[in-house]
Amino acid sequence: DGGITQSPKYLFRKEGQNVTLSCEQNLNHDAMYWYRQDPGQGLRLIYYSQIVNDFQKGDIAEGYSVSREKKESFPLTVTSAQKNPTAFYLCASSTWDRPQGGYTFGSGTRLTVV
Amino acid sequence: DQQVKQNSPSLSVQEGRISILNCDYTNSMFDYFLWYKKYPAEGPTFLISISSIKDKNEDGRFTVFLNKSAKHLSLHIVPSQPGDSAVYFCAASASRYGGSQGNLIFGKGTKLSVKP
Repeated sequence: DGGITQSPKYLFRKEGQNVTLSCEQNLNHDAMYWYRQDPGQGLRLIYYSQIVNDFQKGDIAEGYSVSREKKESFPLTVTSAQKNPTAFYLCASSTWDRPQGGYTFGSGTRLTVV
Repeated sequence: DQQVKQNSPSLSVQEGRISILNCDYTNSMFDYFLWYKKYPAEGPTFLISISSIKDKNEDGRFTVFLNKSAKHLSLHIVPSQPGDSAVYFCAASASRYGGSQGNLIFGKGTKLSVKP
């Protein structure tokens, strides 16, 4: 079955540590995205990538970094510079032409700073 | 400044009745609109979309209406079922294709509760 997989589902981080969230898709989608969800805030775009080896900052990129070395993979690193990293992180992917549904989302990773 | 607004954080409806979820947008360049449904601790799933060349799109119990002059869209669910209880996100983009113009901008969501 094609889909998009995020791991881990839950992640705990000590203050000052970097952590990397995994996102893998086997949908052959060109574009991939990272969103952050906070209570009452909706989904806010962190980074996106339209093609391998290229990515762009979204609205709230500070304190985050990404890489896109393979079409299937778009890992997100939450660095110690991110002041409020506790949130629900969602990865998504799409084709260039979205004839029907926009993005396909993963099931998310909940990151908690302890 | 929010470009996509869902002003009702929550909505409660009786099973079998109509649910109407509203969304307003400010960017006149938006021409493609979508609704997503999200359960707790899961990713959003696509529900229905509409392009600006239409004013209505229907898929089973779900209908989306677009009023371009008012920059307003709404999602109607008829009849509402308890399984429809979820958070509904409205999203918009300036293009249905890729590129920065095609990035989806999401509203804050409306939590729908359908009571048996």
